[in-house]
Amino acid sequence: EVQLVESGGGLVQPGGSLRLSCAASGFTVSSYDMHWVRQTTGKGLEWVSGLGSAGDTYYLPSVKGRFTISRENAKNSLYLQMNSLRAGDTAVYYCARWYGGWDNWGQGTLVTVSS
Amino acid sequence: EMVMTQSPATLSVSPGERATLSCRASQSISSNLAWYQQKPGQAPRLLIYGASTRAAGIPVRFSGSGSGTEFTLTISSLQSEDFAVYYCQQYNNWPITFGQGTRLEIK
Repeated sequence: EVQLVESGGGLVQPGGSLRLSCAASGFTVSSYDMHWVRQTTGKGLEWVSGLGSAGDTYYLPSVKGRFTISRENAKNSLYLQMNSLRAGDTAVYYCARWYGGWDNWGQGTLVTVSS
Repeated sequence: EMVMTQSPATLSVSPGERATLSCRASQSISSNLAWYQQKPGQAPRLLIYGASTRAAGIPVRFSGSGSGTEFTLTISSLQSEDFAVYYCQQYNNWPITFGQGTRLEIK
């Protein structure tokens, strides 16, 4: 059974950093394109970043230079390093596997950026 | 950035009836469109990709159509579990973008 479990969310001050993790089971992360998607009450669903199976990376323009997506094959995990966080980054962050569409999602982890 | 516009914002339909949801892209996206269903407190669920291909395990009452800039999700006979929010999403261009959602509610 495919499962994705996010962790690492929490409360952080503006300008701070967080590292989100997504532990996968039931499939091999490096064999698929993997993404981070966030959701806020006001802005709905927003794609944040993607990591192709070949190692190519993609970012939402507003997070480029601040966020870094990566994976660790030995741990079968996906990560999102978030630096210089802003209030507008406050959201539930999901990791999702791409297979035609995002066919499997984690349960999400809440990131709150506030002083 | 590709803008996806969904209509209506809210759709009220009785169980057993047909629901038709629309999604329009600001430019042609070929058939690179997916539909998702989301219920409160849950992650989105993939329904349709490639504009018209049902994802694994999705009931046949869900169907997608369209190409270019105009797309439709049809639910042929609404069941109680279908009342939720539906999002369209384009993956033809970076960044990947979503519509703002259509809330399907019980009439």
